[in-house]
Amino acid sequence: SQTIHQWPATLVQPVGSPLSLECTVEGTSNPNLYWYRQAAGRGLQLLFYSVGIGQISSEVPQNLSASRPQDRQFILSSKKLLLSDSGFYLCAWRGTGENRKLFFGSGTQLSVL
Amino acid sequence: KNQVEQSPQSLIILEGKNCTLQCNYTVSPFSNLRWYKQDTGRGPVSLTIMTFSENTKSNGRYTATLDADTKQSSLHITASQLSDSASYICVVRQTGANNLFFGTGTRLTVIP
Repeated sequence: SQTIHQWPATLVQPVGSPLSLECTVEGTSNPNLYWYRQAAGRGLQLLFYSVGIGQISSEVPQNLSASRPQDRQFILSSKKLLLSDSGFYLCAWRGTGENRKLFFGSGTQLSVL
Repeated sequence: KNQVEQSPQSLIILEGKNCTLQCNYTVSPFSNLRWYKQDTGRGPVSLTIMTFSENTKSNGRYTATLDADTKQSSLHITASQLSDSASYICVVRQTGANNLFFGTGTRLTVIP
């Protein structure tokens, strides 16, 4: 069966520090992978998605970047965090079939201080 | 403009009672609508999916409805349990790749 791992679960970082959040998927190949951010009281905002190794699409201009060095690995990064980067970050992959649904990781709560 | 609006924003009910959450959308062209349950500090989990031709679908104590004409959906929870306390998110998929529109969710709290 497919599983998705995301870490760390929580992270507290000072402004200006770098960021690296990692997400890996098991039990499937060539998945579509997604990074979402969920701010308090807001809906999920799609940040990046990837349809394959090295293929990254950005949905919104921002201080973050994403990379997909391997088929089942998706990394969210920043060189210098801003206060506004605080939020709950979710990695997800989309299943196959006619009505593909998203499978989400357990999330990372990022606090930038 | 493609939007998904949910109501109420938050809801508190007594254990054992029923409740109904609403989702209105303007997404077009419409592909499907999903309800997700998100426990605090966790990722959302799909509860049910509604396609254009479906009016009602049940998943245990959860029953979702869809009126594609009025672009409204509801999620009815029967005989609520403490474990139902969570945020419920309505997500509408637009025909085409990777076009998902998320509601801001309804925060449900079930109290004993």
